[in-house]
Amino acid sequence: GQNIDQPTEMTATEGAIVQINCTYQTSGFNGLFWYQQHAGEAPTFLSYNVLDGLEEKGRFSSFLSRSKGYSYLLLKELQMKDSASYLCAYRTGGGNKLTFGTGTQLKVEL
Amino acid sequence: DGGITQSPKYLFRKEGQNVTLSCEQNLNHDAMYWYRQDPGQGLRLIYYSQIVNDFQKGDIAEGYSVSREKKESFPLTVTSAQKNPTAFYLCASSMGWDGGQGTEAFFGQGTRLTVV
Repeated sequence: GQNIDQPTEMTATEGAIVQINCTYQTSGFNGLFWYQQHAGEAPTFLSYNVLDGLEEKGRFSSFLSRSKGYSYLLLKELQMKDSASYLCAYRTGGGNKLTFGTGTQLKVEL
Repeated sequence: DGGITQSPKYLFRKEGQNVTLSCEQNLNHDAMYWYRQDPGQGLRLIYYSQIVNDFQKGDIAEGYSVSREKKESFPLTVTSAQKNPTAFYLCASSMGWDGGQGTEAFFGQGTRLTVV
């Protein structure tokens, strides 16, 4: 199977902060992506990390630790519209082939 | 508006028939991809193309075929040899192939194929 893992489901409260974790094992690592996908729609790009550390983009931040094979997506000030599936994917080698996790279904409640 | 367009959104096919899914992009992207998405599984790569007139098999190419005669177009044919074709098919494109910032993949809206 795929050597990338993320939780299947998470639930959080509107206005709160949630962290979605992703772990992976691969050689030739060349970047980690996060996508958001609403049901029946196309995945949309959220963030990209290739070096260790935190990348911040508005309410969304993504962290990478290459030595640990670990990334997380941090969503702040949660809104109802953030209810979606969040896909973690790594890229290997010199190309743009992505290996996706199964996605984390986030439910934001009042 | 620039984007990537897949058609049709829903497609029904009888067993034993081939069917072709359309994917067109006007983003001037070199690389294009086809993924398959099944419930409870991540996106899986079927075929990809780095440049016109070239394409490579992904992880689950059996039972599928593609062509890349134009930069803008990357149609996918699901043949009768594909054992379990019912799925959500996503086409994507990216500016480059060599990685780095700005080479993230952009996805089309998907085609949901059902074999009846």
